[in-house]
Amino acid sequence: GENVEQHPSTLSVQEGDSAVIKCTYSDSASNYFPWYKQELGKRPQLIIDIRSNVGEKKDQRIAVTLNKTAKHFSLHITETQPEDSAVYFCAASPKGGGYNKLIFGAGTRLAVHP
Amino acid sequence: ETGVTQTPRHLVMGMTNKKSLKCEQHLGHNAMYWYKQSAKKPLELMFVYSLEERVENNSVPSRFSPECPNSSHLFLHLHTLQPEDSALYLCASSQEGGGFGNEQFFGPGTRLTVL
Repeated sequence: GENVEQHPSTLSVQEGDSAVIKCTYSDSASNYFPWYKQELGKRPQLIIDIRSNVGEKKDQRIAVTLNKTAKHFSLHITETQPEDSAVYFCAASPKGGGYNKLIFGAGTRLAVHP
Repeated sequence: ETGVTQTPRHLVMGMTNKKSLKCEQHLGHNAMYWYKQSAKKPLELMFVYSLEERVENNSVPSRFSPECPNSSHLFLHLHTLQPEDSALYLCASSQEGGGFGNEQFFGPGTRLTVL
């Protein structure tokens, strides 16, 4: 089955710096890769996702890149702000069609210092 | 209320108790999920229901019993739990169909403590 590895487990940056979180997956059939942000005591919320027919997607300060050959994808946050501090989870999902089996990485705790 | 709701938000139970967690989605989705979130571990998928049929059961112990009476409601029945079952239990829903997955919307979770 699918296995997702996420690195680093913790990341500390200064406000205004960029942050990059990387994930690798094992199942070449996976075709959907979401990123979730979970603030302390709150539910995970989708911040960006990418499908396997796209190599890159951007939404304001957030971007995701996908390398299907190497089976890895990355989250890029530019101009970080203190409110970006949270735990970020990547996930991979094999082909849909009736339900969406998300396999999550272990999470990255991002701290943005003013 | 909108989105995905879960009750109760907190639950403390003994190992011999029986309790149920409830999830309700107000998004018109056709798939619902139970996840377990423990400290320092990835979110673990427990069960998936699509069109009210259970389509995924990730080797979860039988002391956890899901129920999906309709597309808007999902229950997780608990009995004779162990202390290691203490965790945050998250419900999610999504609208599925087609060749790709779609966004899953999570509820706020039930923080379960087993004494």
